[in-house]
Amino acid sequence: DQQVKQNSPSLSVQEGRISILNCDYTNSMFDYFLWYKKYPAEGPTFLISISSIKDKNEDGRFTVFLNKSAKHLSLHIVPSQPGDSAVYFCAASDDTGFQKLVFGTGTRLLVSP
Amino acid sequence: DAGVTQSPTHLIKTRGQQVTLRCSPKSGHDTVSWYQQALGQGPQFIFQYYEEEERQRGNFPDRFSGHQFPNYSSELNVNALLLGDSALYLCASSPLPTSGQETQYFGPGTRLLVL
Repeated sequence: DQQVKQNSPSLSVQEGRISILNCDYTNSMFDYFLWYKKYPAEGPTFLISISSIKDKNEDGRFTVFLNKSAKHLSLHIVPSQPGDSAVYFCAASDDTGFQKLVFGTGTRLLVSP
Repeated sequence: DAGVTQSPTHLIKTRGQQVTLRCSPKSGHDTVSWYQQALGQGPQFIFQYYEEEERQRGNFPDRFSGHQFPNYSSELNVNALLLGDSALYLCASSPLPTSGQETQYFGPGTRLLVL
């Protein structure tokens, strides 16, 4: 039972354009969502998060949007840079306070010059 | 400021053996979580330690056990290794849990290969 789904295994974007990565979830108890970026041979690096009480959070080139009614979130990267090429994971935790993260399967982003 | 560190970086074991992986949390963090990432998958939660106690456990058998030391570092032990245990094992640390929305920071992982 995949509670967090990233249906696009890969995404290719040109440098300078917008990258949009999507994530869907099924568990209505999830109240905190995070995006991590992972390069090969490294651990996931935290990018940005959003609480369920918000519908948008912005940090520099990265913006996360949350649509609770649709159980959908997205990560926008503007403008995309070649160094953004990595695997992006969406993760969620529920309101039990235990910080157990449930991850999607990841989307590989390739930003070409 | 040292981030999360893990050792060893790589490990090769044979079926039936036992393995111990180690993690030191980021400075100021006292909660440690372990995840298993199989090839092509997202990380899966194994368990979490806080104040030297296991707080929560994912869907992993008892062959997976852990420990947290007074200095907050942690070990993951896997007994009776199976081929399917081959994966990247990630340690994540976070500050004192209050809201449940503390961000977890990951180490580089230990890649385990079971032959």
